Amino acid sequence: ILNVEQSPQSLHVQEGDSTNFTCSFPSSNFYALHWYRWETAKSPEALFVMTLNGDEKKKGRISATLNTKEGYSYLYIKGSQPEDSATYLCAHSGNTPLVFGKGTRLSVIA
Amino acid sequence: NAGVTQTPKFQVLKTGQSMTLQCAQDMNHNSMYWYRQDPGMGLRLIYYSASEGTTDKGEVPNGYNVSRLNKREFSLRLESAAPSQTSVYFCASSFFNSPLHFGNGTRLTVT
Repeated sequence: ILNVEQSPQSLHVQEGDSTNFTCSFPSSNFYALHWYRWETAKSPEALFVMTLNGDEKKKGRISATLNTKEGYSYLYIKGSQPEDSATYLCAHSGNTPLVFGKGTRLSVIA
Repeated sequence: NAGVTQTPKFQVLKTGQSMTLQCAQDMNHNSMYWYRQDPGMGLRLIYYSASEGTTDKGEVPNGYNVSRLNKREFSLRLESAAPSQTSVYFCASSFFNSPLHFGNGTRLTVT
């Protein structure tokens, strides 16, 4: 099983701040990189699936970039709101099923 | 549209007891998965089924068995529960390399 690392582990920001998280994954045998949002007491929900080097995806105030050659992806949240508080998971697939990182827990303080 | 349905939502077992977690999806997905979630460990894959009729071990398969009963259903069985299997279990399904759709989870406590 190949390691997927996420940083930071947790983050506290003020409402209105913009923030970003990092996901690092093995650059060999890359197939796809997924981002999920996981609210407390709910199930993870997919944000993005990215497959091509240089991919950029956007959904509202949330966007993500992908660098498969160096093995990292960034997730950006612009103008954080309290409802953005959640754990953000990334997951990598190569020639194995998805392997998840441990997540970044974001708390947005009003 | 129910998506992925897991039962039960909660279960308490004594060490050595057995149980089966049920999972069904109505999205015609080929692939189904069982994950466990433990504090500080993220989601770890127990078993998966890439297509009907196939199952494969994931990262943490010991102590578990699975059955892909048909395209819709994928069950997880604990033959002799141990306290180390106390966890939250999630079933998920997808088309190949598409986003995973998760069930609501089963919180299992083994005493």
